[in-house]
Amino acid sequence: DTEVTQTPKHLVMGMTNKKSLKCEQHMGHRAMYWYKQKAKKPPELMFVYSYEKLSINESVPSRFSPECPNSSLLNLHLHALQPEDSALYLCASSQDYTGGFKNIQYFGAGTRLSVL
Amino acid sequence: ILNVEQSPQSLHVQEGDSTNFTCSFPSSNFYALHWYRWETAKSPEALFVMTLNGDEKKKGRISATLNTKEGYSYLYIKGSQPEDSATYLCAFISGGSYIPTFGRGTSLIVHP
Repeated sequence: DTEVTQTPKHLVMGMTNKKSLKCEQHMGHRAMYWYKQKAKKPPELMFVYSYEKLSINESVPSRFSPECPNSSLLNLHLHALQPEDSALYLCASSQDYTGGFKNIQYFGAGTRLSVL
Repeated sequence: ILNVEQSPQSLHVQEGDSTNFTCSFPSSNFYALHWYRWETAKSPEALFVMTLNGDEKKKGRISATLNTKEGYSYLYIKGSQPEDSATYLCAFISGGSYIPTFGRGTSLIVHP
């Protein structure tokens, strides 16, 4: 099973809402990632978790709050988002993060988020 | 900000044609380069992870080469099929930041 599952597929939220994106993998991978992709732009790395600890936070605003409750699950909690946060949010996993990005990343299909 | 360029932006070919496209990246401080295929409404799929100058990798009809000294990688598709239609993304990882910088991708459409 080389699948990374993201839920929900689509999400519409208001600026005062609190919502969460979920990502799950059962490949035994110890590194998990959140990316953001705005329309017609390349994906941008947001966070890296390695062995359930936050390794990289690419200066992401605090209205995005990642959480890794166990090695299979990665959440992204959203609060007080702005319309400019509307984007495709992609989750990925890899065997580990030791040595940086030399391991293949397996991506989910993404959550398309619209902030009204 | 690192500059990762992919060309062409889009490409239309006929079934059976062979094609290639380019990923250009900074020639200094190279760490790794990733190639992905991304079909519409699906997950990006990793094709290759390239780490050494002169690397050549192959997966079926798709192959890639790497020149870190001049800062480019080529992706080749031999005998394109309609199912090869997708966006092909490269991601450059520098030895300074260890953060992937993605190109904008090349959109390939293969006509039957």
